[in-house]
Amino acid sequence: DVKVTQSSRYLVKRTGEKVFLECVQDMDHENMFWYRQDPGLGLRLIYFSYDVKMKEKGDIPEGYSVSREKKERFSLILESASTNQTSMYLCASSLKFGLNYGYTFGSGTRLTVV
Amino acid sequence: AQKITQTQPGMFVQEKEAVTLDCTYDTSDPSYGLFWYKQPSSGEMIFLIYQGSYDQQNATEGRYSLNFQKARKSANLVISASQLGDSAMYFCAMREAKRGSGGYQKVTFGTGTKLQVIP
Repeated sequence: DVKVTQSSRYLVKRTGEKVFLECVQDMDHENMFWYRQDPGLGLRLIYFSYDVKMKEKGDIPEGYSVSREKKERFSLILESASTNQTSMYLCASSLKFGLNYGYTFGSGTRLTVV
Repeated sequence: AQKITQTQPGMFVQEKEAVTLDCTYDTSDPSYGLFWYKQPSSGEMIFLIYQGSYDQQNATEGRYSLNFQKARKSANLVISASQLGDSAMYFCAMREAKRGSGGYQKVTFGTGTKLQVIP
């Protein structure tokens, strides 16, 4: 089974801090994604990557950046955390793009910015 | 306009009963894929079932089946013989065929339905 591992389940950070959320997948998937999940809003795509060093903005990239230096690792960076970035962050990967290629998700990181 | 609509924020079902979770979608693309995911309180999203727009038969995976009505643009999830472990959030999602940067095909998620199974 493919595993997607997110480094932290819970994080509490202060406003203005730089925050790193790490995600590692172990099955050589090409594509990786960062989503944000908020009640009543579903999952919203922040950024995705389809290859090493390649990244594309999703629907809500403002306030975030990403890094993919190795195929298995995709990092989400909050340059200066703000309280409106308090949320559940989900990392996902997929082998390829294709209609029947689903996502494998990590367990999520619940970030609280105080 | 919402691409994926889940109109039931929360539902209750008696253990061992069947339950239907509603999902309607909106796309002008003739080619697309529909997914259902389960999210227990632990947080991990778990893939349940997939239906392609050209699939002739409704998808089934164990106790899960997808009631696909293409003309009505609905893709309801049916869970038979509910178990206490089915208590979770359930998300419907659609992947569209149109490709963007790097071959990306947009995936849109609904807002989810919280299912609670009562003993």
